[in-house]
Amino acid sequence: KAGVTQTPRYLIKTRGQQVTLSCSPISGHRSVSWYQQTPGQGLQFLFEYFSETQRNKGNFPGRFSGRQFSNSRSEMNVSTLELGDSALYLCASSRAAQSTDTQYFGPGTRLTVL
Amino acid sequence: EDQVTQSPEALRLQEGESSSLNCSYTVSGLRGLFWYRQDPGKGPEFLFTLYSAGEEKEKERLKATLTKKESFLHITAPKPEDSATYLCAVRSGNTPLVFGKGTRLSVIA
Repeated sequence: KAGVTQTPRYLIKTRGQQVTLSCSPISGHRSVSWYQQTPGQGLQFLFEYFSETQRNKGNFPGRFSGRQFSNSRSEMNVSTLELGDSALYLCASSRAAQSTDTQYFGPGTRLTVL
Repeated sequence: EDQVTQSPEALRLQEGESSSLNCSYTVSGLRGLFWYRQDPGKGPEFLFTLYSAGEEKEKERLKATLTKKESFLHITAPKPEDSATYLCAVRSGNTPLVFGKGTRLSVIA
């Protein structure tokens, strides 16, 4: 069974630009969560989607947005990029959005903002 | 607010030297505690899920245990390939998964 896939794997952008990251969950999984990982802050929660509905949102500015499509694939967008947005962005999928469900992570997208 | 604290931050072991990693948590109504392993530049790899105090799970050289306040990840006779960052996360109710900062393990041959 294929795992969670994320594209692109690496991105280099400049300040002020915007970026869109994509995530395809494990087949049959309907919930997708996004996290930002930096050396100083660790893994921080961004969003959680289930059946195209946002169930939870982390404490990030409105420049960070996301959505989920009917096939469970998800995208996140960051507008007006800042240097501090440089991070590893991780997507995780689970069967449903139950709090007991295990989340399985993709390889991540490494975003560098210059 | 759910909180997770992992200790130590870093651990250096000789090959074959067993040890334990600690994950202390504060949640209102634990629904699940999750252990992951993360190699540099890669996404976290799922290891274990524990649901209630007293539960234990094993996989090769790893054993995870859970009490009402903390979880331990015991590593028996580690090998260099066990070197990685080990992450602990908790979830309560419908709140998001909350991660600790991780323990960076180095196993020296």
